Amino acid sequence: GAVVSQHPSWVICKSGTSVKIECRSLDFQATTMFWYRQFPKQSLMLMATSNEGSKATYEQGVEKDKFLINHASLTLSTLTVTSAHPEDSSFYICSARLGAETQYFGPGTRLLVL
Amino acid sequence: SQKIEQNSEALNIQEGKTATLTCNYTNYSPAYLQWYRQDPGRGPVFLLLIRENEKEKRKERLKVTFDTTLKQSLFHITASQPADSATYLCALRTGGQNFVFGPGTRLSVLP
Repeated sequence: GAVVSQHPSWVICKSGTSVKIECRSLDFQATTMFWYRQFPKQSLMLMATSNEGSKATYEQGVEKDKFLINHASLTLSTLTVTSAHPEDSSFYICSARLGAETQYFGPGTRLLVL
Repeated sequence: SQKIEQNSEALNIQEGKTATLTCNYTNYSPAYLQWYRQDPGRGPVFLLLIRENEKEKRKERLKVTFDTTLKQSLFHITASQPADSATYLCALRTGGQNFVFGPGTRLSVLP
């Protein structure tokens, strides 16, 4: 089946530093990948849609300068949380679209900003 | 305003019974609806997709129905097992590329 990986699986950083999270589709090519954030006991909230070779599309209320997305190849998208603060602590999940109807999720990255 | 609701935040049932989870939506016209399973600390796993012109879809012990008039989908797990305990999410695809997720129902199957 379609497999999506994320790295790292968890990260702890100091306030003010930047953190990069990678999302890879391992056995298929994905023109479109999605980045979600999930707070405890809440559902997934779409942050942005990442399109290979073009700029990401951000959802309302998501700062594009804070959450930098790069989708340089058909199998890799990266999310960089710049100048992270404690309120950015969350579970970040990516997904890769396969076909028109299906998306496969990565295992998630837990970020804790001290 | 647009909204997706799932019937309850948590549902407890006895092993062997059928679990029924509900997903209701408002002010969407989805071409299809999806159900996912999410275990704690993990990303969601795709289970089933049902299109607007389909009334019912089955996969092993899972069954999904889709009523576009009621704007509702029902997700059933028959002969439930403790291993079915997880959070189940419904998701709609909006007019663009995006998927919108419901808040989820945390199912606990008690032995």
